Amino acid sequence: DTAVSQTPKYLVTQMGNDKSIKCEQNLGHDTMYWYKQDSKKFLKIMFSYNNKELIINETVPNRFSPKSPDKAHLNLHINSLELGDSAVYFCASSLAGQGVNEQFFGPGTRLTVL
Amino acid sequence: QQQVKQSPQSLIVQKGGISIINCAYENTAFDYFPWYQQFPGKGPALLIAIRPDVSEKKEGRFTISFNKSAKQFSLHIMDSQPGDSATYFCAASKNSGYALNFGKGTSLLVTP
Repeated sequence: DTAVSQTPKYLVTQMGNDKSIKCEQNLGHDTMYWYKQDSKKFLKIMFSYNNKELIINETVPNRFSPKSPDKAHLNLHINSLELGDSAVYFCASSLAGQGVNEQFFGPGTRLTVL
Repeated sequence: QQQVKQSPQSLIVQKGGISIINCAYENTAFDYFPWYQQFPGKGPALLIAIRPDVSEKKEGRFTISFNKSAKQFSLHIMDSQPGDSATYFCAASKNSGYALNFGKGTSLLVTP
């Protein structure tokens, strides 16, 4: 009965490869997010997405692309992986229009690029 | 640029003491201010949150104090316990559906 789940939990890959991280939420939320946590634990938004609009943080390289097959899923595709992409990636979700912005986070995916 | 500034970076408190973490923001459009707790290897978990129409919110041992004019807010953990040892993040955002802007985190250690 996990609220926000991500797969895989760990991902180790070589530079230049393409990889995907999957995220699913069973909370009935309509907005999903991807955050990146760097080695100093700083959390930074990458994307936010609802069924109407994708908002991209302008600092995110276009090698990163979110794909949402339906409201419950927001996957993250990364092309041509670089060493600097190594981080923990968190998916989160929330319900818009509630007057508060409670975001629920997944357990994270630790990506290591060799 | 960093939209939310958090201090201290690390904090050591004895069991039973009060832990205090401070945050400041610049964007007056922010109207939602949550605190998240993160344990090693886990995702951030919402601890407590406040809207700017109140100056204080208390939930159990956790209290947020909010000063709208100073654009500052703080987390107080009363009767701190070793199980509270974790990284705490303040954040700020516009209303629902917007990205959270996080502070850089405070690593709290509560000693027995």
